[in-house]
Amino acid sequence: DTAVSQTPKYLVTQMGNDKSIKCEQNLGHDTMYWYKQDSKKFLKIMFSYNNKELIINETVPNRFSPKSPDKAHLNLHINSLELGDSAVYFCASSQGRLDTQYFGPGTRLTVL
Amino acid sequence: SQQGEEDPQALSIQEGENATMNCSYKTSINNLQWYRQNSGRGLVHLILIRSNEREKHSGRLRVTLDTSKKSSSLLITASRAADTASYFCATDGDSWGKLQFGAGTQVVVTP
Repeated sequence: DTAVSQTPKYLVTQMGNDKSIKCEQNLGHDTMYWYKQDSKKFLKIMFSYNNKELIINETVPNRFSPKSPDKAHLNLHINSLELGDSAVYFCASSQGRLDTQYFGPGTRLTVL
Repeated sequence: SQQGEEDPQALSIQEGENATMNCSYKTSINNLQWYRQNSGRGLVHLILIRSNEREKHSGRLRVTLDTSKKSSSLLITASRAADTASYFCATDGDSWGKLQFGAGTQVVVTP
């Protein structure tokens, strides 16, 4: 059973396009996150939602907009994609804010 | 900014040997977590150790935490080729669950 799933797994697109990545968790968790992993494997949090409410919003360009339609889903929409957006994006979820975070398999975004 | 820093950056050992990696962090924490990432894959949670705990075990894994030195170590005993991966420590220093990751230790276990 997949706990945290993301679609798509790979995304290759041109600069300037708008794209979305979807995340779903079936763990019944209240909190979900988006992380970005760069080419040097450095992971940095972008956003966090708790019960559909945005609680963490790191210094991220406003071209990135998260949306949580319900507790089990957290999507990431990116407008006007730039070369520097190329990275692996991970979704994660946890029961409470200070509990173990479970990660999805990642979405590798390549902007050409 | 980066909170945790792992040392060494890379480690190469033979099957059966033990692997030890360290993590240092800068600010006070609630918890410290260790994750494993196989090449091209997602992160797998290994152990969470709370700030009032000093040591935790899980199978062949042993984690220690020294809050006075702001450091943690992960020991993998009797390593196997399948342990080849990058290992990350992550800390949360606020009440929001914001994990801050180190750059990772790349471990290669050769048969």
